[in-house]
Amino acid sequence: DAMVIQNPRYQVTQFGKPVTLSCSQTLNHNVMYWYQQKSSQAPKLLFHYYDKDFNNEADTPDNFQSRRPNTSFCFLDIRSPGLGDAAMYLCATSKTGQNEKLFFGSGTQLSVL
Amino acid sequence: AQSVAQPEDQVNVAEGNPLTVKCTYSVSGNPYLFWYVQYPNRGLQFLLKYITGDNLVKGSYGFEAEFNKSQTSFHLKKPSALVSDSALYFCAVRARYSSASKIIFGSGTRLSIRP
Repeated sequence: DAMVIQNPRYQVTQFGKPVTLSCSQTLNHNVMYWYQQKSSQAPKLLFHYYDKDFNNEADTPDNFQSRRPNTSFCFLDIRSPGLGDAAMYLCATSKTGQNEKLFFGSGTQLSVL
Repeated sequence: AQSVAQPEDQVNVAEGNPLTVKCTYSVSGNPYLFWYVQYPNRGLQFLLKYITGDNLVKGSYGFEAEFNKSQTSFHLKKPSALVSDSALYFCAVRARYSSASKIIFGSGTRLSIRP
């Protein structure tokens, strides 16, 4: 019974070709996050949605956008991927008031050729 | 500003021996503290958390962690290591009254258990 589902598991794109990663959740959590993780480093928060409110981290490049059409789904759009954007992208969710434990998906490994 | 440090990139332990993965933190006020584990090519998985109360917190898979306020530490421990414990472990912290998005992860410690 998967709870946070990320598709695809592996994504290959070309330099400069837009790509979209998707995340869905069955937990009915109100907060959804996108993290970037490179080479077993600490996950780096890109942005998060608190309900419908979008919150961008100050150092997230403009190249990264996100959409949350409903509670269950969240998308990460990379408009013009560069070689430096190759990474694992992790989606996570949490519910306000439950001590904010994060539930992570299995991630999408993005390669940029 | 809050921060978390995991001073060891790698910890090697023989199966059956006790293990410790170290974590120290810096945060204004009282912290929420977490440990997450990441297996190869997978997302992070919650292990345990300290919110309040007993300084010794028990979590999944036989792991526990001890909150030490005076030393600002939250070391992860297990009395008897298993080969299946081999993974990447992240300590995380956030200030008690900040939003969940303000959670800060350490750089990770790779735990390797040899048979």
